[in-house]
Amino acid sequence: AQSVTQLGSHVSVSEGALVLLRCNYSSSVPPYLFWYVQYPNQGLQLLLKYTTGATLVKGINGFEAEFKKSETSFHLTKPSAHMSDAAEYFCAVSASGNTPLVFGKGTRLSVIA
Amino acid sequence: ETGVTQTPRHLVMGMTNKKSLKCEQHLGHNAMYWYKQSAKKPLELMFVYNFKEQTENNSVPSRFSPECPNSSHLFLHLHTLQPEDSALYLCASSQVGTSGSEKQYFGPGTRLTVT
Repeated sequence: AQSVTQLGSHVSVSEGALVLLRCNYSSSVPPYLFWYVQYPNQGLQLLLKYTTGATLVKGINGFEAEFKKSETSFHLTKPSAHMSDAAEYFCAVSASGNTPLVFGKGTRLSVIA
Repeated sequence: ETGVTQTPRHLVMGMTNKKSLKCEQHLGHNAMYWYKQSAKKPLELMFVYNFKEQTENNSVPSRFSPECPNSSHLFLHLHTLQPEDSALYLCASSQVGTSGSEKQYFGPGTRLTVT
């Protein structure tokens, strides 16, 4: 079985500051890992995903995440926050490409001018 | 944002009403999903359809009844709901069994309020 823990239900950063959203997972098999973003009144959009290969994954809007097997983590980062990054971010895991995703509770990112 | 559409976007219903949520995907995918998103809770997977057949039902109460008439359409029929069923209901689709990475495309959701 898979599970996801997102540390911090709300993160607040200043515009231009580093964004770090934490995600730890539990999986009995090599995981597929995802980060989704949800803007107000919208559905989820895929930011990036890790399946196999390079452990540092680059996504849209300047975000990236690094898969660290030893730490069972897949933290999301962005060097410089922009006001438009304010949204809810969800980390998700699946056991393979054919199994449903298991989502974390989400982290709300606020960006302060 | 037109790959997966959901109607209606907002719905208010009484506990004795019967209503249906509709989802349509225009991406040629073979799997569709219903999720429930409640405040301060993780997204809850409700139902999964692969090739129009229901493959997963996560202990969802029978007052929620899914229907998948074809690979492009998914319905969620609602009857005698409870106030705690008020939530955002998200539909998603994906192509299962090709690249091996399940990238799901989400619709905008239906905001349901049960009074």
